[in-house]
Amino acid sequence: KQEVTQIPAALSVPEGENLVLNCSFTDSAIYNLQWFRQDPGKGLTSLLLIQSSQREQTSGRLNASLDKSSGRSTLYIAASQPGDSATYLCATNSGGYQKVTFGTGTKLQVIP
Amino acid sequence: EPEVTQTPSHQVTQMGQEVILRCVPISNHLYFYWYRQILGQKVEFLVSFYNNEISEKSEIFDDQFSVERPDGSNFTLKIRSTKLEDSAMYFCASRREPTYNEQFFGPGTRLTVL
Repeated sequence: KQEVTQIPAALSVPEGENLVLNCSFTDSAIYNLQWFRQDPGKGLTSLLLIQSSQREQTSGRLNASLDKSSGRSTLYIAASQPGDSATYLCATNSGGYQKVTFGTGTKLQVIP
Repeated sequence: EPEVTQTPSHQVTQMGQEVILRCVPISNHLYFYWYRQILGQKVEFLVSFYNNEISEKSEIFDDQFSVERPDGSNFTLKIRSTKLEDSAMYFCASRREPTYNEQFFGPGTRLTVL
């Protein structure tokens, strides 16, 4: 059974700082890994999707990497802004290919 | 930009009542999903649906739950007899293809069971 863990659970940084969020998963037989952002009381916004054959994906100030063999993914946020404050979730698509397993989330606060 | 929509945004019901949560997936998507998130907890997979049938479901998705695509646009989740522990945010999601495309989520329905 896939288990997805995110560390740290919460992070507070000053505006402008670069930061890294971590995601680890127990079953490396994944089809893809997706990073989401969730604002309080809201739905999930897709940020990046990395296929199992890829090592990284970039979108603007965001860069996600994937190391399947070690069961890890990182989300790098460059030059953080207060608007980046949210909970960041990673999710793997594995096992039965339809099933998605979410991580515990990292709550990010960027202080102006 | 196309988006997944969900109605209602908030549903309050009495324990034991039936509720139907509605979703309109993105129009050219073929795979549909329901998830739930109990306050302060992880997002949990409930069920996936393709070609008018359930393709996978979790242990949470017991006989009290059912899904349906009654027409070409709506996708519904029915809870037959709600329990207090069904109180959660329910998210619908859709994607074009299961492994190569992103899942897009709706804004959620907050279900409160009293």
